[in-house]
Amino acid sequence: SQQGEEDPQALSIQEGENATMNCSYKTSINNLQWYRQNSGRGLVHLILIRSNEREKHSGRLRVTLDTSKKSSSLLITASRAADTASYFCATDIGGATNKLIFGTGTLLAVQP
Amino acid sequence: GAGVSQSPSNKVTEKGKDVELRCDPISGHTALYWYRQSLGQGLEFLIYFQGNSAPDKSGLPSDRFSAERTGGSVSTLTIQRTQQEDSAVYLCASRDAGTNSPLHFGNGTRLTVT
Repeated sequence: SQQGEEDPQALSIQEGENATMNCSYKTSINNLQWYRQNSGRGLVHLILIRSNEREKHSGRLRVTLDTSKKSSSLLITASRAADTASYFCATDIGGATNKLIFGTGTLLAVQP
Repeated sequence: GAGVSQSPSNKVTEKGKDVELRCDPISGHTALYWYRQSLGQGLEFLIYFQGNSAPDKSGLPSDRFSAERTGGSVSTLTIQRTQQEDSAVYLCASRDAGTNSPLHFGNGTRLTVT
């Protein structure tokens, strides 16, 4: 089963508005990462937040992590049409496996 | 520098045939992953290679799937006796050593089994 579940599955907003996507996971993690995928392409890393961090910023991106609730959110401020893409969270459970488990993704459409 | 390269970008094959998908990771990256993405779905973990350690094959869906990584670099994912449900985009990613390094993805191979 998926480690990460994202909410909402799809989101449509107007340019200039903020977009918030949420990710819930099941097991303890080493870090949580957010990726973006444009249609027909591979995924691109956006931001990584470690398990001992609560908030992180990168440009128009803000990520929060609540390990007690096993949840994270990605906020994109002042959205642009070019932000239209699918967004995935990925949890790194560390240890011997060191594999990343991806969530189901949120499809974001930013209307110009 | 060069990113992760996958070939072919598209592959159409008949049911029952074998296929090989290739991944060239970023030079020096010790970890290599294969994922499968069905249409409109998330990524399904298949297999993970880390240096000279035994690979983590826990995500391979059946014994028709296998993968190898030669010389710690190029990897090949092989699907034998393909079935229609194998149709998907197969994504390869690599990353540097270290527990907080991100994945770098290739653009994937779109496999269609007819």
